[in-house]
Amino acid sequence: AQTVTQSQPEMSVQEAETVTLSCTYDTSESDYYLFWYKQPPSRQMILVIRQEAYKQQNATENRFSVNFQKAAKSFSLKISDSQLGDAAMYFCAYRSLRSGGSNYKLTFGKGTLLTVNP
Amino acid sequence: DSGVTQTPKHLITATGQRVTLRCSPRSGDLSVYWYQQSLDQGLQFLIQYYNGEERAKGNILERFSAQQFPDLHSELNLSSLELGDSALYFCASSVTSGRDEQFFGPGTRLTVL
Repeated sequence: AQTVTQSQPEMSVQEAETVTLSCTYDTSESDYYLFWYKQPPSRQMILVIRQEAYKQQNATENRFSVNFQKAAKSFSLKISDSQLGDAAMYFCAYRSLRSGGSNYKLTFGKGTLLTVNP
Repeated sequence: DSGVTQTPKHLITATGQRVTLRCSPRSGDLSVYWYQQSLDQGLQFLIQYYNGEERAKGNILERFSAQQFPDLHSELNLSSLELGDSALYFCASSVTSGRDEQFFGPGTRLTVL
């Protein structure tokens, strides 16, 4: 079974600075997706960024980018120019692309609570 | 707004009771996933339906059941409720049962007293 580990329960960053959230995962598969989801106090799950394992290029979405190291099974999220609205719980998630069973479910890490200080 | 709706937003009930949570997927989405978010277990997958049929099961208790109706809305039934069932229950939907992105609803917060 796949597992996702987020080793930083809490992180803080100053407004306008850069912060990196860590995530490692364990899988024996070669074809999968990795995600970062943001959960603000409203509790809504918001997709921040997605990485397809077969793509070597790291995904970017505006101020959000990832560092995907497939061999090391590492998937970190970098937030540049942090804003007060970035304060939230961030979840790393894994999704298999192997067909059948419960493979299309999302497997989440425990989350990292990000605080942005003005 | 993801286009996925869940009702009710909040539910407070007593131990031993039964409740039903409802999810309406995005228009055109055939697949519905249910997830539970609790302090103890984090976010975990419960069950998936695709076009009315159960497709996959995760860590769903026997006291819990779900179904997807012909109009594609889904219901999660929780019975013999225990204090530990207090959690945020999310529904997500996707176009098919495969590689498509899952869009999350706003969740139903269940409190068991």
